[in-house]
Order: sequence, then structure tokens, then C-alpha cells
Amino acid sequence: QVQLQESGPGLVKPSQTLSLTCTVSGGSINSGGYYWSWIRQHPGKGLEWIGYIYYRGSTYYNPSLKSRVTISVDTSKNQFSLMLSSVTAADTALYYCARSFSNYADSWGQGTLVTVSS
Amino acid sequence: EIVLTQSPATLSLSPGERATLSCRASQSISSYLAWYQQKPGQAPRLLIYDASNRATGIPARFSGSGSGTDFTLTISSLEPEDFAVYYCQQRDNWPFTFGPGTKVDIK
Repeated sequence: QVQLQESGPGLVKPSQTLSLTCTVSGGSINSGGYYWSWIRQHPGKGLEWIGYIYYRGSTYYNPSLKSRVTISVDTSKNQFSLMLSSVTAADTALYYCARSFSNYADSWGQGTLVTVSS
Repeated sequence: EIVLTQSPATLSLSPGERATLSCRASQSISSYLAWYQQKPGQAPRLLIYDASNRATGIPARFSGSGSGTDFTLTISSLEPEDFAVYYCQQRDNWPFTFGPGTKVDIK
């Protein structure tokens, strides 16, 4: 059973860069057929797919965030990461990492709350 | 971007009753739709993918139907653990998008 765990700062200052890492256990990020995603949920609101990466490095970013997002993978550590630059209060959200097959998220981390505030 | 709308926003039912949730897409998405369940303080859980296929470990009381623009999630007989928020998600077009959710609460 694959498990995912997000880690990173819970508080980021406006205009700075949000950085989160997702550690995958119980399965290899190298295994084909899966993409590795970041999805966020604003407090009390719906879900937004930020982007995803294949283990070979190909990435897909939501056009609404594309200019500020970078997703990368480190197969040696079985991790993938999210960087979101120039954050504002509107980026305050619960950030989830997830495994997706056929572009459906079938395994999720527990989520990590990131607050943007000075 | 494909917009998903869900109805009703809230569904108040009693345990044992049948729940019928609707998801409508702003354009045809073939059968590329999933349903997720989210309970307070938890991550969403995949229930149904490709409109009608149950994900691993999902009870048979959950079923999905539809294609094109109109989709339905049916819970045949509500169990106490089924009271939650349900989201639909399309994967026909990037960016993948979610509906706003339907909350199923206890009447």
C-alpha cells in the first residue's frame, strides 16, 4: 500500500517561495503508469489541481499557476517537490500530494496547511 | 477550462435512504469522470473512476453512471460513514478540474 507524506514550512511570507516535499513509501516513484501530483484546497472550499510530474521528469502545470510553479522529482529519495513563487494570501491552502493513475488521484497524503502571512 | 457543477449543494437524508448526486460538465468529457468522498480532516478518497468503475475496496453500494455532460453518483443505502462531501473530477482536458462538491448530511 503506497503512502505519501507532505513536509515543509507551514508559514510563508508574502512574495516568498512556498516549498513542499512529498515522500513516497510502500512503492517506487520509478514504477511506470503513475503520475505524481500536487492538489490544493483553499479553506472550506473546493479542490484545485496544481500540476503533476512523471518520474522521467515531464511536467504539467495548471495554466492559472504556470508562471509560478515548479514540480520536480528525486527518484533516489523517492520524493517529489512543489515550489510556488511570489505567494500571496490567496495561496493559503491545504496542500496535498497524490499519486494519480489515468489522471485520477487514487492515493493521497494527509495534506499540509500552508499559511501565507507576514 | 472545463467547469463542473454539482447538485444539490446539500442533500439531507437518513441512514438507509438512497442518495443521488449529480455532476454536469460544461462540455462533453466522454466518460472521463471520477467521484471522491471527503470527510472532515481527511484527504479525499477515490470512489469511482471513468464514470462507472469502482476503485479498489469501494463497497458495491456506490455506483456511478453517465457520459458526455451528465453524470450521477448513487449510494443505494446510506451507511453512517457515508455522510461526507462528494466531489466530481474530470480528466478529459488539462487542467483537470473538480466540482464544488455536494454535502450529504444527516436529516
